[in-house]
Amino acid sequence: ETGVTQSPTHLIKTRGQQVTLRCSSQSGHNTVSWYQQALGQGPQFIFQYYREEENGRGNFPPRFSGLQFPNYSSELNVNALELDDSALYLCASSWRDRAIYEQYFGPGTRLTVT
Amino acid sequence: GDSVTQMEGPVTLSEEAFLTINCTYTATGYPSLFWYVQYPGEGLQLLLKATKADDKGSNKGFEATYRKETTSFHLEKGSVQVSDSAVYFCALSPMDSNYQLIWGAGTKLIIKP
Repeated sequence: ETGVTQSPTHLIKTRGQQVTLRCSSQSGHNTVSWYQQALGQGPQFIFQYYREEENGRGNFPPRFSGLQFPNYSSELNVNALELDDSALYLCASSWRDRAIYEQYFGPGTRLTVT
Repeated sequence: GDSVTQMEGPVTLSEEAFLTINCTYTATGYPSLFWYVQYPGEGLQLLLKATKADDKGSNKGFEATYRKETTSFHLEKGSVQVSDSAVYFCALSPMDSNYQLIWGAGTKLIIKP
């Protein structure tokens, strides 16, 4: 059974640029959630995707957007990057009919905006 | 809105010491409560959970009891090991939006041999 994988591991972008982060869900999982974790803080929920549609969203502006593909993998896109977007971005996958706690996290993508 | 507050770290203990990491929450109704652990270089892992008042979650020697009257979910372990060194996060899943987790800031635990 393959766990949740994320790519890239690290990347550096300049303010105003756009970035795409990728996540492959664990085998058999059909739901993907994205979180932002700033240094020294807990994760903040960005949004969740199920059946290729956004299923719930946290308090993040529209420049944060996502996609889910038929194979349940997902992308997080951030436009017009700001310095405060520097963080660890976590992806978690789960099976839709299971409880929220049965989700599995990837190791994250560290984004630095300069 | 719903929120989680946990004690600031780092918490430094000697091996075999007793551990308590405090966690309190603010939420409507009866959220589900969780402790997650993040070992260096690894993803977040569910440590234990409690989904209703007075439930006790336990795993790997760690325990936490869902206390509705004090809105708390403190993490305890009777005898810590060096391998328990990690960052511990308390989190809740709201009743009205159970597709998300709301997290505390995390507590770094350092165990010295």
